[in-house]
Amino acid sequence: AQRVTQPEKLLSVFKGAPVELKCNYSYSGSPELFWYVQYSRQRLQLLLRHISRESIKGFTADLNKGETSFHLKKPFAQEEDSAMYYCALTPGQGGKLIFGQGTELSVKP
Amino acid sequence: DSGVTQTPKHLITATGQRVTLRCSPRSGDLSVYWYQQSLDQGLQFLIQYYNGEERAKGNILERFSAQQFPDLHSELNLSSLELGDSALYFCASSPYHSRTDSGYTFGSGTRLTVV
Repeated sequence: AQRVTQPEKLLSVFKGAPVELKCNYSYSGSPELFWYVQYSRQRLQLLLRHISRESIKGFTADLNKGETSFHLKKPFAQEEDSAMYYCALTPGQGGKLIFGQGTELSVKP
Repeated sequence: DSGVTQTPKHLITATGQRVTLRCSPRSGDLSVYWYQQSLDQGLQFLIQYYNGEERAKGNILERFSAQQFPDLHSELNLSSLELGDSALYFCASSPYHSRTDSGYTFGSGTRLTVV
């Protein structure tokens, strides 16, 4: 079954602290993995995708096929990072996205 | 502006009624995807259209239907509405039928409240 699991509903950190949002997936093939961010229930915005191996707003994510994980990391959290973060995968066929339940990141001053 | 336009932004209606949500994709995009975001189910894929044809179907109820018109805008029709249909309905578009790279863009959503 195709599934994305984000074990933490809420993650609260202080400004300047490191952040790691966990994402595990279940998929038998080679999925494409993404992180999307949603500020104050606005539109979803693509944060990054594993194939590009880029860093956006200081966030990085590494695909670990052995552990089937795609955790999102940032060394120093900022208050403006407070948002909902969704991990998602797209299976081999079609362009649909399968989302995790989301993690709300709260960065306190 | 992301280029994906959804109307209306808010909709309040009574149980048993029927509503139509509209999505205009970004210029040049051929694929339209519909998603439902609710507190208990999270973000769920409903249906995809590519250049007027249904491409993929997800967890879409039989009371719901969609179509994509020749000008590529799409409509999601929700009928016999129930309280549980209250949710944020997102539309997304992309140039392709099966790729989800940086060209996959979401609209700002329609918030449906069923009372």
